[in-house]
Amino acid sequence: QKEVEQNSGPLSVPEGAIASLNCTYSDRGSQSFFWYRQYSGKSPELIMFIYSNGDKEDGRFTAQLNKASQYVSLLIRDSQPSDSATYLCAVTYLGGGGADGLTFGKGTHLIIQP
Amino acid sequence: DAGVIQSPRHEVTEMGQEVTLRCKPISGHDYLFWYRQTMMRGLELLIYFNNNVPIDDSGMPEDRFSAKMPNASFSTLKIQPSEPRDSAVYFCASNPGLAGGTDTQYFGPGTRLTVL
Repeated sequence: QKEVEQNSGPLSVPEGAIASLNCTYSDRGSQSFFWYRQYSGKSPELIMFIYSNGDKEDGRFTAQLNKASQYVSLLIRDSQPSDSATYLCAVTYLGGGGADGLTFGKGTHLIIQP
Repeated sequence: DAGVIQSPRHEVTEMGQEVTLRCKPISGHDYLFWYRQTMMRGLELLIYFNNNVPIDDSGMPEDRFSAKMPNASFSTLKIQPSEPRDSAVYFCASNPGLAGGTDTQYFGPGTRLTVL
């Protein structure tokens, strides 16, 4: 049974600060890890994916993966009010091509306070 | 590219009626996924196709649900008969597969289904 756990929040962060979102997963066979952002009433949109242990940076976003601890995190630097949304962590068995269904966590609701 | 297209965007029906949701994936994408999102259960995979062939339907909740992909540009998800507990937002997503070198999935806008 693949499970992905996230703290539902809400996580409240002051504007300009770093927001830290965490996710754990149960299946050690998981290969690919994704962070999606979902605004209320909208569809999920991909922010980042990560396949290898360590950090991956893209603009204000940094994804961190620790396969030994089965832990994925997303850091958002210089948080903006427009970052207020629900952040979904997702995992899949396959990586770098091909596809498999995503197993999602229930999401963390992030609020950036102006 | 127009992205993943879903129709209708909203559907309100009465219990016992048949409901058909439609999806057009991004052109050239080999994989198509159907997900359902509710407050209680979050976003769940129902079924996915590769080159129009169903690969994994283990997430389909029961026999009332069926999905087809008659060609590379069209898929349907049918619920017959519908029940109030089927009320949810249904998302379709597509992925380019090996040709794209990534398993990133691109989501459509969703269909909000309400069964009274």
